Amino acid sequence: GNSVTQMEGPVTLSEEAFLTINCTYTATGYPSLFWYVQYPGEGLQLLLKATKADDKGSNKGFEATYRKETTSFHLEKGSVQVSDSAVYFCALSYSGGTSYGKLTFGQGTILTVHP
Amino acid sequence: DAGITQSPRHKVTETGTPVTLRCHQTENHRYMYWYRQDPGHGLRLIHYSYGVKDTDKGEVSDGYSVSRSKTEDFLLTLESATSSQTSVYFCAISRDREYEQYFGPGTRLTVT
Repeated sequence: GNSVTQMEGPVTLSEEAFLTINCTYTATGYPSLFWYVQYPGEGLQLLLKATKADDKGSNKGFEATYRKETTSFHLEKGSVQVSDSAVYFCALSYSGGTSYGKLTFGQGTILTVHP
Repeated sequence: DAGITQSPRHKVTETGTPVTLRCHQTENHRYMYWYRQDPGHGLRLIHYSYGVKDTDKGEVSDGYSVSRSKTEDFLLTLESATSSQTSVYFCAISRDREYEQYFGPGTRLTVT
């Protein structure tokens, strides 16, 4: 079956540091890949997505590239801010067959950014 | 922001009582999903719907049932709540299965 593995957290960084959160996946066929972010007390918000190999998703300074050869979709940001403190979820969706676009999530990575 | 509301936002109930959570959307999206969020597990799919009266089970469906009598409403029912169902429940919607999902604000349910 499909699965997503994220790096263990929590991750603690100083403001303006470089961020990488690793995500690898196992899936049949050609899934779409997503990063969602959850701020404290809120629901999940779509951060970025990629729908095919070598696609790069980007939003709000965050980037992730769909690497089929390494089955990875690592999240990066060059300079984090305190306001980026949140929980980040990697997820995949496979719309083929009877999957009906169901999302499979990683366990989430807590990011805390200090001033 | 996608027009998704969930009610109630918080609920405390006793073991053995029935509970119904409601998800309401104003986007006229075809697909609707119920997930639960628990520490260390990310989000796990409970049930989903691909149209009015069309529903199917997700990976953690035991103890839950759903109904969708209108496009805009998707109800999740715990027939007899147990402490293991204490969780945060999220509803999500999607235009179609190959599109991204948008999430509601969540319902925090505590079963005592």
